[in-house]
Amino acid sequence: GAVVSQHPSRVICKSGTSVKIECRSLDFQATTMFWYRQFPKQSLMLMATSNEGSKATYEQGVEKDKFLINHASLTLSTLTVTSAHPEDSSFYICSARTDMNTEAFFGQGTRLTVV
Amino acid sequence: AQTVTQSQPEMSVQEAETVTLSCTYDTSESDYYLFWYKQPPSRQMILVIRQEAYKQQNATENRFSVNFQKAAKSFSLKISDSQLGDAAMYFCAYRSPNYGGSQGNLIFGKGTKLSVKP
Repeated sequence: GAVVSQHPSRVICKSGTSVKIECRSLDFQATTMFWYRQFPKQSLMLMATSNEGSKATYEQGVEKDKFLINHASLTLSTLTVTSAHPEDSSFYICSARTDMNTEAFFGQGTRLTVV
Repeated sequence: AQTVTQSQPEMSVQEAETVTLSCTYDTSESDYYLFWYKQPPSRQMILVIRQEAYKQQNATENRFSVNFQKAAKSFSLKISDSQLGDAAMYFCAYRSPNYGGSQGNLIFGKGTKLSVKP
């Protein structure tokens, strides 16, 4: 099956710094990638959708200047959490699919802790 | 807007027994996809089964099957011969088709935590 690799799996950063999370589709071209956030014992909440070569579409309530998303190639999307604060600590998951797939494939997720 | 409801926060089943997880959804669309995902403690999202709304036949994948009732907007998951490895969070998800301006993102229910007793 299709593989989506997300890196890093865990990151700890200091408050006020920025951290970048990468999401790569290893064996298919991902025209669309999704970024989700999951709080402990809760469901996945969509943050934004990115299409290759276009600006990301953010869900209501998600600060686009804080969560920068870049989808510069068909195999890579990045999420940068800028000026991170402890309340940004969460589990972030990406998923990717091609236009023709009904199924989206998920990365392993990134646990971000801001101290 | 579409919504997905999982009314069972937690379920428990004896090993080798059968358990059914409930899911209902709300939509005005006639064409869509439904999924069940498993999230074990590793938190990797694993696709269990999917159903296209235009298909009347219920999807099956080995020990996993669904009961898709389109008119009732119900999509339950049945796990037969439950195994210890089935213990996980299970999320029901809805997806619009790839047209009409939809990005095709998944809308998730709140999840059901399944425990399997040996």
